[in-house]
Amino acid sequence: ELKVEQNPLFLSMQEGKNYTIYCNYSTTSDRLYWYRQDPGKSLESLFVLLSNGAVKQEGRLMASLDTKARLSTLHITAAVHDLSATYFCAVSRTSGTYKYIFGTGTRLKVLA
Amino acid sequence: DVKVTQSSRYLVKRTGEKVFLECVQDMDHENMFWYRQDPGLGLRLIYFSYDVKMKEKGDIPEGYSVSREKKERFSLILESASTNQTSMYLCATTGTAPSPLHFGNGTRLTVT
Repeated sequence: ELKVEQNPLFLSMQEGKNYTIYCNYSTTSDRLYWYRQDPGKSLESLFVLLSNGAVKQEGRLMASLDTKARLSTLHITAAVHDLSATYFCAVSRTSGTYKYIFGTGTRLKVLA
Repeated sequence: DVKVTQSSRYLVKRTGEKVFLECVQDMDHENMFWYRQDPGLGLRLIYFSYDVKMKEKGDIPEGYSVSREKKERFSLILESASTNQTSMYLCATTGTAPSPLHFGNGTRLTVT
């Protein structure tokens, strides 16, 4: 069974600081996704990571993938208040049809 | 832009009622998904469909059924609503898997 674990579940950080969110998954996966959800809104796709060693960056967010360790990280550099949101990782797995399995989410609060 | 429309934003139903949640997409996507989102549990997959009239169970299908009679529409049915089905329900679609999912705005269902 494919399982996805994220930590921490909740993260409160000061503006200007760096931090990392971790995403572990249990079995071989095709792709790794990161999503952002603002309060009261739906999920928005941030990154798709396709292969071992993949790194994607957008602004102050950088995502990486280590398929051997079954680990993805979302690194936040010099956090700003606008990054406050809930971040989800998800993995897809094919066994004839595709399933997308999500982690529990990390609620990030950036304090001014 | 992909548009995924869920018919109701908020819904209040009584225990034992039959409940229909509707999702319509405008991008001719083959794959459609229903998730429920609960605090601390992330998104959990209820059912998904990879073609008209085709469906597969997700991780928590008990108490739910689905219908996909047309490609653009995927319905989630609660046969006899119970209070533990109070949740946020999210519909998502994707074209050629494993592309990222596109989400609707969600339906917050309260069962009293």
